[in-house]
Amino acid sequence: DVKVTQSSRYLVKRTGEKVFLECVQDMDHENMFWYRQDPGLGLRLIYFSYDVKMKEKGDIPEGYSVSREKKERFSLILESASTNQTSMYLCASSLGGASGGREQYFGPGTRLTVT
Amino acid sequence: AQTVTQSQPEMSVQEAETVTLSCTYDTSESDYYLFWYKQPPSRQMILVIRQEAYKQQNATENRFSVNFQKAAKSFSLKISDSQLGDAAMYFCAYRSGINAGNMLTFGGGTRLMVKP
Repeated sequence: DVKVTQSSRYLVKRTGEKVFLECVQDMDHENMFWYRQDPGLGLRLIYFSYDVKMKEKGDIPEGYSVSREKKERFSLILESASTNQTSMYLCASSLGGASGGREQYFGPGTRLTVT
Repeated sequence: AQTVTQSQPEMSVQEAETVTLSCTYDTSESDYYLFWYKQPPSRQMILVIRQEAYKQQNATENRFSVNFQKAAKSFSLKISDSQLGDAAMYFCAYRSGINAGNMLTFGGGTRLMVKP
C-alpha cells in the first residue's frame, strides 16, 4: 500500500516567516509533486521533481522553492510567507516514465494559515 | 496549455440514485489520459477511474463509469446506486501523453452531496 505522509495537518505562521512543508513517500517513486488547493480553482501544480536533486517549475512557482535531497522526501519552502499563501498544500508521488496513465498518490494535505 | 473545466461546483443526489458529473477539457493533442479523483472530507485524494484517449471503450470501475466523447472533449463521470460514502469533492484531471513528468492539470472540482 502506497503511503504519502506530510509533516503537519495544520500550520499557522506569521507573515515573513520561512516555512517548510515536508513530504515523504514509501514506494520508491521517482516523481513527486507539490500542489496548492483553493476553492473553485482545484489543484494547481507548484513544483515537481522527477529525480533526486531535479526539479521543474509548475504553473504557480512564484514565492516557493523546493528541495529533494533523498528520493523519498520532497520539501516545499516558502521563503517569506505571505497571506496570499494561505491554502491547502497537497503532496503527491507517482512512478516515473512517460508511458501510461500513471496514478498519482496523494498525502493528507497541510492546511497552512499565514497571519 | 491544456485546461480542464468542471461546470458544476456542487451536485446532490439521493441515496441509491444515479448522478453524472461533467468535465470538459481543451487540448490540441491526440494522445492523453483523463482521470477522476475523489477527495472525501478530511481524507486523502484517491483515484476513481482513468481513461486512455486512444481507447474508444468507456472505462468502468464497479459503480463508476465514464462517458468519454473525444470529439466533444467531454469526460463525464456517472455514479450509479449512490452511497453515503460517495459524498466528496470530485476532480477531473488531464495528463498529456507526451508528458514525461506525469504532470496533471485539474479542474476546479465538484462537491457531491448524497442525501439519505
